[in-house]
Amino acid sequence: DSGVTQTPKHLITATGQRVTLRCSPRSGDLSVYWYQQSLDQGLQFLIQYYNGEERAKGNILERFSAQQFPDLHSELNLSSLELGDSALYFCASSTRPGQNMNTEAFFGQGTRLTVV
Amino acid sequence: LAKTTQPISMDSYEGQEVNITCSHNNIATNDYITWYQQFPSQGPRFIIQGYKTKVTNEVASLFIPADRKSSTLSLPRVSLSDTAVYYCLVGESTGGFKTIFGAGTRLFVKA
Repeated sequence: DSGVTQTPKHLITATGQRVTLRCSPRSGDLSVYWYQQSLDQGLQFLIQYYNGEERAKGNILERFSAQQFPDLHSELNLSSLELGDSALYFCASSTRPGQNMNTEAFFGQGTRLTVV
Repeated sequence: LAKTTQPISMDSYEGQEVNITCSHNNIATNDYITWYQQFPSQGPRFIIQGYKTKVTNEVASLFIPADRKSSTLSLPRVSLSDTAVYYCLVGESTGGFKTIFGAGTRLFVKA
């Protein structure tokens, strides 16, 4: 158990819909990262938050948005869903923001999103 | 941003030592090298991290030559449960932190 909790574990929804994925980081971790993993794309970094502020952005679509709340949990919002958005979405957390150093990140078990 | 190159797949037998090499020619001075392991439908799990020379923990060893343009993850006496994808990562040293995962190496351990 990494200490990172993601809900829900599974989600099935229709195209055009909007969903929210939730992540609770490990106790004390200020950084939260979101990743998308689909069969043909591997692990893709989406976005990072540190203590409530956006810190780094990766290949995140404009239809997707995220935020980190004062209690440090984070939500990833996916809207106007397309079939190609079907994937595993992972959240990870770490202690430090990572500037000028690499640091171990702890991953949750993921949310499997299926868009039909 | 340092890019990594690893073999796509490797096969091994139980009890053997497995070495997975990663190339990272553009590694920056402040970058660390980190390896993660991922089982199907699970989140990646940290294995080991290093900056230079050799690092060893209870799971693996990491060898990094002086020029730091490559690194080798060594798994001693693998078992069937070591069948997984192994990712080599090089830290983003500019402002912000992005863990960039490459395609990884799919290790298959046979009995």
